[in-house]
Amino acid sequence: DGGITQSPKYLFRKEGQNVTLSCEQNLNHDAMYWYRQDPGQGLRLIYYSQIVNDFQKGDIAEGYSVSREKKESFPLTVTSAQKNPTAFYLCASSPLGVTNEKLFFGSGTQLSVL
Amino acid sequence: GESVGLHLPTLSVQEGDNSIINCAYSNSASDYFIWYKQESGKGPQFIIDIRSNMDKRQGQRVTVLLNKTVKHLSLQIAATQPGDSAVYFCAETGDNAGNMLTFGGGTRLMVKP
Repeated sequence: DGGITQSPKYLFRKEGQNVTLSCEQNLNHDAMYWYRQDPGQGLRLIYYSQIVNDFQKGDIAEGYSVSREKKESFPLTVTSAQKNPTAFYLCASSPLGVTNEKLFFGSGTQLSVL
Repeated sequence: GESVGLHLPTLSVQEGDNSIINCAYSNSASDYFIWYKQESGKGPQFIIDIRSNMDKRQGQRVTVLLNKTVKHLSLQIAATQPGDSAVYFCAETGDNAGNMLTFGGGTRLMVKP
């Protein structure tokens, strides 16, 4: 998947639990993104980061948190405040720090609630 | 609000036929458009892109057409193969903050052998 690794592929969350999805890239890309995909739906932006130690909220950031301590890594935490977390989560990166044209995507993490 | 959408949620074609997937957009300020292919359980893969100063761009077996007058984008796949079966998304970069891509809802292409 173009040098972007997401793990785990499947994840289960219990009620009230926080879970963290991993995303690592070795493409030396500046920008990284997290999207949520619901069945039969398009991609919705959760958070994005254009440089290390900086990130911005996307359209549906509530109930999620991120960090960008390293250029290669952009983990996403789904908190207990996210009441409907079941979805397919996609991480992406792009070589440009300003726009997210031609995103390179990981293979995704399917999160389900027990 | 501004949006990107697709006319046909599911398209079924015979192997060897040409496929046309359509996409309408509403933001007249959009200047970059891109098509992605997503197979089941996988992340989207880049297919082809086009800028607003062009009306046609060709790749390997794929052609993207842009009609700015009616704000319409299409993806044409020649000699469709079973491996082309997937969901296809169009996306646009408009004038929103951060120049983020806006994705359409997707069209599922099913290729019959």
